Amino acid sequence: ETGVTQTPRHLVMGMTNKKSLKCEQHLGHNAMYWYKQSAKKPLELMFVYNFKEQTENNSVPSRFSPECPNSSHLFLHLHTLQPEDSALYLCASSQGFAKDYGYTFGSGTRLTVV
Amino acid sequence: DQQVKQNSPSLSVQEGRISILNCDYTNSMFDYFLWYKKYPAEGPTFLISISSIKDKNEDGRFTVFLNKSAKHLSLHIVPSQPGDSAVYFCAASAKYGGSQGNLIFGKGTKLSVKP
Repeated sequence: ETGVTQTPRHLVMGMTNKKSLKCEQHLGHNAMYWYKQSAKKPLELMFVYNFKEQTENNSVPSRFSPECPNSSHLFLHLHTLQPEDSALYLCASSQGFAKDYGYTFGSGTRLTVV
Repeated sequence: DQQVKQNSPSLSVQEGRISILNCDYTNSMFDYFLWYKKYPAEGPTFLISISSIKDKNEDGRFTVFLNKSAKHLSLHIVPSQPGDSAVYFCAASAKYGGSQGNLIFGKGTKLSVKP
């Protein structure tokens, strides 16, 4: 496989459930990102990892917990979510600064919290 | 407080005509601007970019114009084709400053090109 792969593509979960989103990149990039896209809102940056180290947490509630075991994999662990957390969650990767290399996005996970 | 603004949520254009998508920004530290295109059920894909040292960048049917004094950029698509129908996101980054080189996105503009 090439590019950035996200699984699952769709997820429906109850507010008491625990689930995880997975992202995998096959591009040899050293930075990975989680973005949230809600209706009528900009893509919101959630977390940034550079060389497996978290370099940014954009004031995200603790019910979202990222994990980056290596530079190719990124997870987003979800627990006790709220209905307003329903959104499209996008993973992206880059080799360096966006200025130099840009981002490659996955297709996203459409999350619905019921 | 939105740093990148796309004030038109949607735009409808006839096939063959020009599409102009607009974007405004507030952070004077931004020095690189990108446009991404997104089809339903897919992630955004990179379309075209421009550095703050330039005022125009052209790639085939797509041209991005940057007006630094107005903190405004625009994407021109000419001629528009039905396959261009998608959501277009404007994004900006600053290598130095608060956003630390990360991309900051606008809300997007949904372009519909009618045959």
